Amino acid sequence: AQSVTQPDIHITVSEGASLELRCNYSYGATPYLFWYVQSPGQGLQLLLKYFSGDTLVQGIKGFEAEFKRSQSSFNLRKPSVHWSDAAEYFCAVGARTGGSYIPTFGRGTSLIVHP
Amino acid sequence: GAVVSQHPSRVICKSGTSVKIECRSLDFQATTMFWYRQFPKQSLMLMATSNEGSKATYEQGVEKDKFLINHASLTLSTLTVTSAHPEDSSFYICSAEMALSSYNEQFFGPGTRLTVL
Repeated sequence: AQSVTQPDIHITVSEGASLELRCNYSYGATPYLFWYVQSPGQGLQLLLKYFSGDTLVQGIKGFEAEFKRSQSSFNLRKPSVHWSDAAEYFCAVGARTGGSYIPTFGRGTSLIVHP
Repeated sequence: GAVVSQHPSRVICKSGTSVKIECRSLDFQATTMFWYRQFPKQSLMLMATSNEGSKATYEQGVEKDKFLINHASLTLSTLTVTSAHPEDSSFYICSAEMALSSYNEQFFGPGTRLTVL
């Protein structure tokens, strides 16, 4: 069975600083990987996904993530954090069922942004 | 973008009562919807997959008689927590699936906070 580990419960950064959120996965086949952001009162929003091809994927809001098979990692990065990026971030690995990808989520990392 | 709503956003009920949560896809039709449960500071756990016009598929360990799911139309799925108890208090999130060119993407609702007294 697949699993996702997000080792950091909280991350605190200053506005304008760079950000890296860690994600390690366990999956027997080629993984389908996702990063979501959850803001209070809003649903989870997909930031980016990796299915195949270029291991560096670009997402929305200036985020990117790099798939490293040798390390079973899919870390999320942003070069300059904005105060509005404060939220909960979830990494997920998807199991494919037909055309659907059923995600298994990590426990999330809470991003705190200091002015 | 695709929008999914949930109603109510918060509900408080007495132990032993039943609560219905609605999940609607506002601007697209969804053959498949999903229900998740999220405990504080924990990840989302898939409870069941809901297909329009057929019975829901429940994940292992989820009580079918406790969590009744109905997907009567392509834009509405409901989750009814029957005979709710304090341990059912949680954050319930639904998602609706949209078929894109290369894969089916899930769009998530904002969640419903259930508190059972």
